[in-house]
Amino acid sequence: GIQVEQSPPDLILQEGANSTLRCNFSDSVNNLQWFHQNPWGQLINLFYIPSGTKQNGRLSATTVATERYSLLYISSSQTTDSGVYFCAGHYYNQAGTALIFGKGTTLSVSS
Amino acid sequence: KAGVTQTPRYLIKTRGQQVTLSCSPISGHRSVSWYQQTPGQGLQFLFEYFSETQRNKGNFPGRFSGRQFSNSRSEMNVSTLELGDSALYLCASSLDRITGELFFGEGSRLTVL
Repeated sequence: GIQVEQSPPDLILQEGANSTLRCNFSDSVNNLQWFHQNPWGQLINLFYIPSGTKQNGRLSATTVATERYSLLYISSSQTTDSGVYFCAGHYYNQAGTALIFGKGTTLSVSS
Repeated sequence: KAGVTQTPRYLIKTRGQQVTLSCSPISGHRSVSWYQQTPGQGLQFLFEYFSETQRNKGNFPGRFSGRQFSNSRSEMNVSTLELGDSALYLCASSLDRITGELFFGEGSRLTVL
């Protein structure tokens, strides 16, 4: 079936620690994106990463499309990194193109 | 460059009423898609509009509808509200289609009493 699975579901870190979030996606899912949901509910676009590696400051992401997974790395975590991280990808159904999200990883960074 | 703008941000309705939410995409973006987020079901795709046409719809009842105007602004409507429609409704815009990079608005938080 069409699936996007994220792990771990919850992650607790001390400020300054590094972390890796994983997103596994099924064959029919493509064009992975990573988002951070802030406390007010807005989804902030982190990376649009169908394949390869991208970096933005302390964050980087790698998608290995042939093996159907993507990783989000957070280095030297800060309390402001807390929140829920989602990965999402698009798939085709009978009616057209749709988007599917994982259930998210809730990150808590304490000082 | 202004981001995606959603209005209203918060609203409270009672069962049986209807609600209309608005989404203004980033200038130049032609695709608008809508999503419902609830604690139980997570983030679910509602529909996508492109060139004033609905391109796809998620698994939601007919009470959920939408439209897109010639300036790419979009509205979604929920009629005959039920308690279970309480949710955060998010819209996203992308330059071309939903397969491209998506940018989300701040959401409209609907409470149905």
